[in-house]
Amino acid sequence: QKEVEQNSGPLSVPEGAIASLNCTYSDRGSQSFFWYRQYSGKSPELIMFIYSNGDKEDGRFTAQLNKASQYVSLLIRDSQPSDSATYLCAVKTSYDKVIFGPGTSLSVIP
Amino acid sequence: DVKVTQSSRYLVKRTGEKVFLECVQDMDHENMFWYRQDPGLGLRLIYFSYDVKMKEKGDIPEGYSVSREKKERFSLILESASTNQTSMYLCASNLRDRGSQFFGPGTRLTVL
Repeated sequence: QKEVEQNSGPLSVPEGAIASLNCTYSDRGSQSFFWYRQYSGKSPELIMFIYSNGDKEDGRFTAQLNKASQYVSLLIRDSQPSDSATYLCAVKTSYDKVIFGPGTSLSVIP
Repeated sequence: DVKVTQSSRYLVKRTGEKVFLECVQDMDHENMFWYRQDPGLGLRLIYFSYDVKMKEKGDIPEGYSVSREKKERFSLILESASTNQTSMYLCASNLRDRGSQFFGPGTRLTVL
């Protein structure tokens, strides 16, 4: 089992819809969770982080964490074509290592 | 503003050459990282450093070495470049005990 898993996509949503990106992790003791956005040919940039169970909202982005299910998700409301990118989930494990998932490619169709 | 810079955006080298990739951060971060990113394989950690002159192997250190003589600078060295080291190389940094990392713009290295 890979330590951090994501659906590779591509995930296609129409403009204005909600995009839902999912991530599961294997280390039950993980405490910190991060979402990065990476445009084609560019480097990853941090867009959200979450430490506690529940939801955390920042503008159109909501991160959701369920530690019991070892599941973290990112919702993008009112998706825009400029949201088209690869989204990387990263987990800081109990042994203090940050593991990146393989990324989910999102395409927002105008 | 947070800044991580890398010495080159694009680099073309020949097999067997010694290659230096440099990374500089201006945020006084303790930790610095080198990754490579390949299609279908995601981000893979090559080496990281948590202090000056300190280094730790990541998941794929073979064929690479690193140097950190100053806090702000972390160099990745390919002792004898090979074609399978053609990749996007990303440098990142963060504060000790923080999980979130700041990435440089990347160096796309092609080894012919």
